[in-house]
Formats: sequence, C-alpha cells, structure tokens
Amino acid sequence: GQQLNQSPQSMFIQEGEDVSMNCTSSSIFNTWLWYKQDPGEGPVLLIALYKAGELTSNGRLTAQFGITRKDSFLNISASIPSDVGIYFCAGQTSGSRLTFGEGTQLTVNP
Amino acid sequence: GAGVSQSPSNKVTEKGKDVELRCDPISGHTALYWYRQSLGQGLEFLIYFQGNSAPDKSGLPSDRFSAERTGGSVSTLTIQRTQQEDSAVYLCASSRRLAGALPYEQYFGPGTRLTVT
Repeated sequence: GQQLNQSPQSMFIQEGEDVSMNCTSSSIFNTWLWYKQDPGEGPVLLIALYKAGELTSNGRLTAQFGITRKDSFLNISASIPSDVGIYFCAGQTSGSRLTFGEGTQLTVNP
Repeated sequence: GAGVSQSPSNKVTEKGKDVELRCDPISGHTALYWYRQSLGQGLEFLIYFQGNSAPDKSGLPSDRFSAERTGGSVSTLTIQRTQQEDSAVYLCASSRRLAGALPYEQYFGPGTRLTVT
C-alpha cells in the first residue's frame, strides 16, 4: 500500500529558530495535508494543499505541494514554545482515506 | 456541536470483552472516518462512511472490528473479543464531502484511548 516517509522523526530547536520537515511518497497524491497533534488531543489541521507546485502560508507556517505530487514540506518560522507537538503529513488520492506519515516530534527550548 | 466529539475518552477493558466507541461528527458533515493510532505512530485508516453509500471497510484489521453509522450522523465502532494488540487511540474524523467536488479537509475528534488488559 501507499506509504509516506516523514523526516526528521524528531527535532530539538531553540525558540526563534526556523524549522523544516518534509514527506515523500513512492506514489502520487492529489492532496497533501499537514496536521499538528498535542498530547491527548486529536490532530488539528494546519494547511491543506490541492495543486502541484502550490505554496500556501498560514501565519508562521508555509507548506508546499511538490511538483511531482510525491512530496511536500512544512516550514515553521520564528518558532515559539507553543509550537511543541507532533506534526503529521497526510496524503489523499481519489479515495477519501488519508495516508499519514509517522510524524515529526518538535521540541522548542525557550 | 462545534467539533467532532468522541466517547468515552478512556476505556479500560479485559481481554476478550467487547467494546463500543462512539463518534458524533460535526453537524452537516456527510463523511465520517475512523482511524487508529498506536503509541508513537501515525494514524492508520480503518473505515469510511459517505452518505448512503456502502462504507469503505478496507482498513479494518480483522472481522472482530465493525462500525455502523445511524441516520447519517452518529457512528459506533465495535471491537469484539478484544486483544491486547487492540490497545490504541481510536480517532474519528468528519468532512463535508460533496459529490463531484474536491475532497474537503478532515477534522478530528479527541479520540478514545483503549487499553486492553
């Protein structure tokens, strides 16, 4: 089945630094989504991407849908302590199920 | 309600018992999904309901797992004869899927943490 490789698995950064994480797939997706999950909570949608090459921003977050449709990245600028959490990428094809990456655990040191 | 709600938030059960997990989707959302998240892992698709169409059950790991959606709204995920490997967080999501339109974003509930002892 489809699999998403998400990297890095974890990141430890200082407050104020920029962060970048990415996902790659062996197959094509029509939609890429990025979620953040806090402990004990469900994932919260951050950004949705629908077109190859699309670059979308949401505040300090920027995500891009790769031109090959097989990858996406998420950047967080000027990190703050509340950015701590697990970030997941998810891809969607013609069906409605989401295929999730394994997650990136982000730790921000004040 | 304002968001997807799930109950119970935590469930501890003995191996071999049956459990039922409930999901209330966002009002007006026609599509409902169940996922499973094991400790430190990403989410694994289980089942998908869209309107009156036959559900996509292709993600259910065994015939001990079943789900239903009554009246196009509330859904119940049932696990029969629970095993220890069923321990995980079970997450429900809903979306406003329209025929012929782009897939809409999925919004998740807080999950039910199931522990099988």
